[in-house]
Amino acid sequence: EVQLVESGGGLVQPGGSLRLSCAASGFTFSDYWMTWVRQAPGKGLEWVANIKHDGSDEYFVDSVKGRFSISRDNALTSLYLQMSSLRGEDTAVYYCARSLGWRDAFDIWGQGTMVTVSS
Amino acid sequence: DIQMTQSPSTLSASVGDRVTITCRASQSISSWLAWYQQKPGKAPKLLMYKASSLESGVPSRFSGSGSGTEFTLTISSLQPDDFATYYCQQYISYSLTFGGGTKVEIK
Repeated sequence: EVQLVESGGGLVQPGGSLRLSCAASGFTFSDYWMTWVRQAPGKGLEWVANIKHDGSDEYFVDSVKGRFSISRDNALTSLYLQMSSLRGEDTAVYYCARSLGWRDAFDIWGQGTMVTVSS
Repeated sequence: DIQMTQSPSTLSASVGDRVTITCRASQSISSWLAWYQQKPGKAPKLLMYKASSLESGVPSRFSGSGSGTEFTLTISSLQPDDFATYYCQQYISYSLTFGGGTKVEIK
């Protein structure tokens, strides 16, 4: 079964850091671009970052540039999002999703992991 | 960044109704548009890609059309399972953006 499973969410203080993970299974992970999308409580979807098959290219939404980093380990079929200098507006459910290319839709999504930034 | 605007933001309809949701892009995105369905507490589900291509396993009552800056998602006969929020998303640029969503409610 093709599956993405996120983990690592939780409660963190403003200014703190957190690392999210996304474990992939059931498909050839190294064939796919991987993406993080977030959804603040009661709000719409927001693309956060994505990374090329081999990790050689990565892109970020302006609001997280310089604070978040994205990485992947194709041997472990895992995607990561390292978040630092967290702010209240980063509070959201974070989903990982896959696409075959950078110009492709997201055909498989994980179930999401909640990140709450609060003192 | 390319802005995506959906209308309406909320739509009240009955089972069996034909429903149309519109998505407009702030600049041309050719046909690089996807539609997703999201139910409360669940991850989004891909319905359409390349504006008018139906994702495998999605019922044929869903259809998409448009190119350039204006797109529509149509549900030909609304079913109980279709009450959800729908999002469009452009993927022509590296900076991906979603529409604000359209919630389809029971009338």
